[in-house]
Amino acid sequence: KQEVTQIPAALSVPEGENLVLNCSFTDSAIYNLQWFRQDPGKGLTSLLLIQSSQREQTSGRLNASLDKSSGRSTLYIAASQPGDSATYLCAVRNTGFQKLVFGTGTRLLVSP
Amino acid sequence: SAVISQKPSRDICQRGTSLTIQCQVDSQVTMMFWYRQQPGQSLTLIATANQGSEATYESGFVIDKFPISRPNLTFSTLTVSNMSPEDSSIYLCSVDRAGRETQYFGPGTRLLVL
Repeated sequence: KQEVTQIPAALSVPEGENLVLNCSFTDSAIYNLQWFRQDPGKGLTSLLLIQSSQREQTSGRLNASLDKSSGRSTLYIAASQPGDSATYLCAVRNTGFQKLVFGTGTRLLVSP
Repeated sequence: SAVISQKPSRDICQRGTSLTIQCQVDSQVTMMFWYRQQPGQSLTLIATANQGSEATYESGFVIDKFPISRPNLTFSTLTVSNMSPEDSSIYLCSVDRAGRETQYFGPGTRLLVL
């Protein structure tokens, strides 16, 4: 059974810092991995999708990497801004299955 | 990307009643998913809804408690039946456009059961 864990559970940084969010999964037989952002009381916004054959994906100040063999992904946020404050969720989709398995989330607070 | 709307956006309900949540997508999709997010928790899949067939429920969720309809390729409903305070959660509809690729989520329905 796939289990997804995110560390840290919460992170507070001053504006301008570069930061890394971590995601680990127990079953390396994944099809893809997706990072989402969730603002309080809202739905999810897809940030980046990494296929199992890829090592990383970039979008603006965001860079996500994937090391399938070790069961890890990181989300790197450059030059953080207060508007980045949200909960970040990673989710994996296993080979042969349709459903996403979500991590526990990292709550990020960027202070001005 | 997919545009997904949900109704209602939020509701406060009394114990023992039922609430039906609607999910509308801007284009035809094969699979629609219903998730629950309890306070302070991550997302848990309730069921997968395919058009023209019965929904497939995850372990711990049953059709009597969470009946789902999928009358066409752009619409689905989830009913939360005989509600109790433990059902207070955000319920999210999700679609998968191209089959196991990027998954998109609706804005969610925030439910409070008193």
